[in-house]
Amino acid sequence: NAGVTQTPKFQVLKTGQSMTLQCAQDMNHEYMSWYRQDPGMGLRLIHYSVGAGITDQGEVPNGYNVSRSTTEDFPLRLLSAAPSQTSVYFCASGGGINEQFFGPGTRLTVL
Amino acid sequence: AQKVTQAQTEISVVEKEDVTLDCVYETRDTTYYLFWYKQPPSGELVFLIRRNSFDEQNEISGRYSWNFQKSTSSFNFTITASQVVDSAVYFCALSEAGFGNEKLTFGTGTRLTIIP
Repeated sequence: NAGVTQTPKFQVLKTGQSMTLQCAQDMNHEYMSWYRQDPGMGLRLIHYSVGAGITDQGEVPNGYNVSRSTTEDFPLRLLSAAPSQTSVYFCASGGGINEQFFGPGTRLTVL
Repeated sequence: AQKVTQAQTEISVVEKEDVTLDCVYETRDTTYYLFWYKQPPSGELVFLIRRNSFDEQNEISGRYSWNFQKSTSSFNFTITASQVVDSAVYFCALSEAGFGNEKLTFGTGTRLTIIP
C-alpha cells in the first residue's frame, strides 16, 4: 500500500514550457486534490475531484488543468509555465469525515 | 468565505518547555472540521488531528493536546515538554461539512524551533 505517490520530486522548467505532474493513490479514495505551497501563504487549493470524470476549481486554478479518468490517477497540467508557478505542489486523497493523505510533494522551479 | 489565521509566524523555545500554537478560524457553517498538520524539515505533511464542530472536548495524545473553543473560534495546539523532533512548521486547517467537505482552507503556518 503505497498511499499517495507523486512524480517527479523535482522539476525545472523554462517559461512557456508545459508539463504534467503525476499523482496516484491506491486507497480507492473518491476524492483527490492538488494544493500549492508558497512561502508565507500556507497551502492553497488548485483543483479537486470528487470522483472519476468530475473535477472542479479551487482557490487558485488559473494556469492549471486537471482531468480524472480513473479513480487512481489525478494529473495536474501546466499548459504554459510561468515563474509565478514556482512552488511546491502537493496531491492529496481521501477526506470527508476521514483524514486526507498527502503525497510527498513536487518542487517546481520555472525560470 | 472560510479563513484560518495563525498569527504566530515563528516560535522558538528551549527544549522541555511547553509551547502553544494558536489557530483562529472564520466560517459561516455551523458544521465544520478542524485539522492540524505537521510539516517537518523533510517536507511531507503529517496529519495530527481532526475535530468536528460538535465535539468541543479537549483532546490529549501523549505530549500533544488541543483546545477547541467555539465561543472564540479557536483551536489551539499545545506541546508539553517539547523535544527537538517537534521542530517543524505546523498548519491549522478548516473544511466545511457536507458536499465539498474535503476542501481544506489552511492557515499560513507557524514555524516552531526547539532549541536543544
